[in-house]
Amino acid sequence: AQKVTQAQTEISVVEKEDVTLDCVYETRDTTYYLFWYKQPPSGELVFLIRRNSFDEQNEISGRYSWNFQKSTSSFNFTITASQVVDSAVYFCALSEGSGGGADGLTFGKGTHLIIQP
Amino acid sequence: DTEVTQTPKHLVMGMTNKKSLKCEQHMGHRAMYWYKQKAKKPPELMFVYSYEKLSINESVPSRFSPECPNSSLLNLHLHALQPEDSALYLCASSRLVGRSSGNTIYFGEGSWLTVV
Repeated sequence: AQKVTQAQTEISVVEKEDVTLDCVYETRDTTYYLFWYKQPPSGELVFLIRRNSFDEQNEISGRYSWNFQKSTSSFNFTITASQVVDSAVYFCALSEGSGGGADGLTFGKGTHLIIQP
Repeated sequence: DTEVTQTPKHLVMGMTNKKSLKCEQHMGHRAMYWYKQKAKKPPELMFVYSYEKLSINESVPSRFSPECPNSSLLNLHLHALQPEDSALYLCASSRLVGRSSGNTIYFGEGSWLTVV
C-alpha cells in the first residue's frame, strides 16, 4: 500500500527566511510519481511540481526547489526567501505507476505554512 | 487561473434537498475526478471517470451520484445529505495518455458545501 507522510503539521517563520517542507513516501512500485500542491485559504489546489521515480534530478523554479532522494524515500520542498504570499497548506502526493488507468492521488496530511511579516 | 471551473462556489442545502455540483474543463482531458476535503484534512478520492465511464467509486454512499455527460463536464448530484457531508468538494481532471497515473491532476477551486 502507498503512503505519504508529512510530519510537520505547521511551520511558522518570519518573512525572508528559508523553509523546508518534508515529505516521506512508501510504495512497492518501482515506477511512481510524486507531486506537490499548494492550497491557499480560497481552497483551490495549485499544482507545483511532478517528479517521476526514474528522474532523481533536483529542480529549481524561482524561489522554489525540490530535493528528491530515492535512497531515503523523500521528496522535500524548500522555499527560499519566503514571502507572506507563500502562506498556505502544502500537500505532498503520490501516484503509483502500476495502474492501467487514472487512479487518483494519495495525499499526505499537509503542512500549514505561516509566513509572518 | 485554473482551467477547471466549478459551480457553485458555495452551496447551503437542507437534508431533504436535491442539488448538483458542476465541473467543466476544456483542456481535452479524458479523466475527471471528484474529491472531498474536510477541514484540516487532505483531499479524499470519491470518484474517477475515464473516457466518460465511471472507473473508480471509493465506496461512496449512494446519496452522492456522479454523472459525466460528456468529456468536458462532470456533475455530482446530491440528495438527502447529512450534516457530516459538509465539506469542500474538489473537481479535477488529467490526461489519459501513456502511464496515466503519472499525468498531472489539475484541480478546480472547489465548491464549499454546507448541509443544514
